[in-house]
Amino acid sequence: DADVTQTPRNRITKTGKRIMLECSQTKGHDRMYWYRQDPGLGLRLIYYSFDVKDINKGEISDGYSVSRQAQAKFSLSLESAIPNQTALYFCATSDINSGNTIYFGEGSWLTVV
Amino acid sequence: GDSVTQMEGPVTLSEEAFLTINCTYTATGYPSLFWYVQYPGEGLQLLLKATKADDKGSNKGFEATYRKETTSFHLEKGSVQVSDSAVYFCALSTNTGGFKTIFGAGTRLFVKA
Repeated sequence: DADVTQTPRNRITKTGKRIMLECSQTKGHDRMYWYRQDPGLGLRLIYYSFDVKDINKGEISDGYSVSRQAQAKFSLSLESAIPNQTALYFCATSDINSGNTIYFGEGSWLTVV
Repeated sequence: GDSVTQMEGPVTLSEEAFLTINCTYTATGYPSLFWYVQYPGEGLQLLLKATKADDKGSNKGFEATYRKETTSFHLEKGSVQVSDSAVYFCALSTNTGGFKTIFGAGTRLFVKA
């Protein structure tokens, strides 16, 4: 089983709908992240959390919200999806002892029509 | 601000050819440098890293040397295989001004048999 698990792996949703992407990890890491990948733009950070009570905006947080339900769970929500949020989304984790290495989930393809 | 610039792709090589993917960075302080690889349909995974100047990271025949004087971390492999076809991301991580990891845009590599 993957150490960082994302659900769903693929989702098509309509404009204006609310969608949640969920992430759970078994690595025991404190730090969790949500990234967005678009062709030619690399990865851009949406939100990050260094522990359960800590939530921080990344460079592209507008239109997104997150919840850190437990050390192992970090969900990303699009309250009202729009087509330019069509992208590949990655959850990731790291730990102060991992030397800043980031461990990624397999990604969630989201298409907003 | 901090940034990572890597050569645009795609890069197409024949099997057993020599590979170089250029990466340069701008950062305050002393970042750690990483190469991540993304195989088709998968999340990113760490390929190699270096944490201080003149360090060489290596893994699976790939190498990169942290060059502070030229602010570079170029990825090289002496003889590529078809299985090396993937997208390669250069990244830097720093604790200056708060922890952050910044990714380059990615370089897609195609290796032909």
